[in-house]
Amino acid sequence: KAGVTQTPRYLIKTRGQQVTLSCSPISGHRSVSWYQQTPGQGLQFLFEYFSETQRNKGNFPGRFSGRQFSNSRSEMNVSTLELGDSALYLCASSSEVRAGTDTQYFGPGTRLTVL
Amino acid sequence: GNSVTQMEGPVTLSEEAFLTINCTYTATGYPSLFWYVQYPGEGLQLLLKATKADDKGSNKGFEATYRKETTSFHLEKGSVQVSDSAVYFCALSLHAGGTSYGKLTFGQGTILTVHP
Repeated sequence: KAGVTQTPRYLIKTRGQQVTLSCSPISGHRSVSWYQQTPGQGLQFLFEYFSETQRNKGNFPGRFSGRQFSNSRSEMNVSTLELGDSALYLCASSSEVRAGTDTQYFGPGTRLTVL
Repeated sequence: GNSVTQMEGPVTLSEEAFLTINCTYTATGYPSLFWYVQYPGEGLQLLLKATKADDKGSNKGFEATYRKETTSFHLEKGSVQVSDSAVYFCALSLHAGGTSYGKLTFGQGTILTVHP
């Protein structure tokens, strides 16, 4: 089975712009979670989607949003970029048949740099 | 709230040394526990997991036992290799739904460097 893929791998944007990141989960997985990884804050949960519905959301401002399509692919969008949004954004997928017990499989991440 | 605390790093060892990375947690409900590893420039890979108390997860010579009484999930390996150099993350997820769906809570990560 192919793993989780994320595109693009690297992005450079300037403050005030917006950005869209894409994630394709493992075939058959309906749950997609997004995380932000920074040296200062570590790994923080952004949100989770299951069958096109956002089921859970972390403590991030409304500038961070996402969606999921009927084929389980997911996108996240960050509007009005700030310098502090520079991070590695990781996507993970799971079957999430039983909450909390299923393994999340991570993609390689998108490295976003905001100048 | 839920939290995971890992031992401070970085950890530097010689090849074939014994490795322990401590991990303790606090959880409002019943958690599953995970160890993930991250190599430079890559995403996270699952190393092992345990979903209930007293379970032992193991993989590639690494082991960790879910200790509910001490709220711990320490990672151990008897003989490390240079190729084990990476960042190791302890994480938990709750079995309940609601605000638990799809959410892993991570420790801060421990950098391991193994010298030949």
